Amino acid sequence: QKEVEQDPGPLSVPEGAIVSLNCTYSNSAFQYFMWYRQYSRKGPELLMYTYSSGNKEDGRFTAQVDKSSKYISLFIRDSQPSDSATYLCAMSGVRSGGYQKVTFGIGTKLQVIP
Amino acid sequence: KAGVTQTPRYLIKTRGQQVTLSCSPISGHRSVSWYQQTPGQGLQFLFEYFSETQRNKGNFPGRFSGRQFSNSRSEMNVSTLELGDSALYLCASSHRGQTNEKLFFGSGTQLSVL
Repeated sequence: QKEVEQDPGPLSVPEGAIVSLNCTYSNSAFQYFMWYRQYSRKGPELLMYTYSSGNKEDGRFTAQVDKSSKYISLFIRDSQPSDSATYLCAMSGVRSGGYQKVTFGIGTKLQVIP
Repeated sequence: KAGVTQTPRYLIKTRGQQVTLSCSPISGHRSVSWYQQTPGQGLQFLFEYFSETQRNKGNFPGRFSGRQFSNSRSEMNVSTLELGDSALYLCASSHRGQTNEKLFFGSGTQLSVL
């Protein structure tokens, strides 16, 4: 079983819809949770960054972390065709020496249809 | 501030050849990580360098190697290329590679092995 599970999709929604993207994880040591957006033929771009449990909002994007359920979500309101991309969840936690080890989900491909 | 720069953007090689990829991190960032991204496996961690020293290594064969220079620029090398090495190779940088730091990616090098 992978440390981070993410449905690869694809997910197709009409423009203006609310999109919900999710990941589950098994490692309780994860403390930092991120969402990256990756356009075709580009590198991942950091979208949201959250520490521990709770919600974080940035414009049309809301990230939620539920550590008790080991479940994180990204909501996109009023989705636009320009949101069409692959969304990767990522998480990190303390490891020996305090060095960074970021574990990624496989990514969910989202298509917003005009 | 310039982002993470990777060169070349595209490479086509044949089996048995070797290849060297280059990464220039964001100015001031001293930690550089390398990832391999494929549709079936997602992002897989190759290795991480800090101050010219490899601190972490993923589960890849010894054909995959890297190094970091005193100006934090990094190179990775793949020898005796195999068809399965075809992938997008991503470089990411952060200040010191600590657990709570954000990771910033380059656009990647798309390697095709024929």
